[in-house]
Amino acid sequence: QMQLQEWGPGRLKPSETLSLTCTVSGGSVRSASFYWGWIRQSPGKGLEWIGSIYFTGNTYYNPSLKSRVTVSVDSSKNHFSLNLTSVTAADTAMYFCARSPAAEFDVWGRGTLVIVSS
Amino acid sequence: QPVLTQSPSASASLGASVNLTCTLSSGHSDYAVAWHQQQPEKGPRFLMTVNGDGSHSKGDGIPERFSGSSSGAERFLTISSLQSGDEADYYCQAWGTATWVFGGGTKLTVL
Repeated sequence: QMQLQEWGPGRLKPSETLSLTCTVSGGSVRSASFYWGWIRQSPGKGLEWIGSIYFTGNTYYNPSLKSRVTVSVDSSKNHFSLNLTSVTAADTAMYFCARSPAAEFDVWGRGTLVIVSS
Repeated sequence: QPVLTQSPSASASLGASVNLTCTLSSGHSDYAVAWHQQQPEKGPRFLMTVNGDGSHSKGDGIPERFSGSSSGAERFLTISSLQSGDEADYYCQAWGTATWVFGGGTKLTVL
């Protein structure tokens, strides 16, 4: 059964770049069957889709974050990544990676907390 | 892109049934939605996809107590024989043209 696990810095300062990785086990990021996505949840708030990538490298971003977001895939390491530039306190959130066969996110990672503070 | 609307809160008694509603915005009434459960201090868990015709397909290991249905632009998640462990936030989610969207979530309290 496929599992996803997020990895990240935990804490960073305003204006820095957030880099997160999602390791995929029990399957391949090169599968043509799935999109790979990032979702975040600010403290006490709802879920916000950040961006997704297909194995071809095609990327899709939330328009509200598009100017700061890059999602990429590294098939040699069987993981995909999120870069978010120029972070502020508003980017403090739990960040989740997830698999999407089409419309729905059907497998989720446990999440990693990122705190932006000076 | 579709906009999904959910009531912020719902409550029902232990052992009873509850219907949670997700409403699709105008022009998107035929879209499928997915339902996710997020228990306190945990990550989301996929429950099911509900299609516009009312059919639904559940994720692995989801109990029969959870079911889905549809009426017009509304997508429903029904939970029967409520247990204390069902107390959680429930989110609906849809996919538009190269965009994934979430509803605001419904906090379910089991009395």
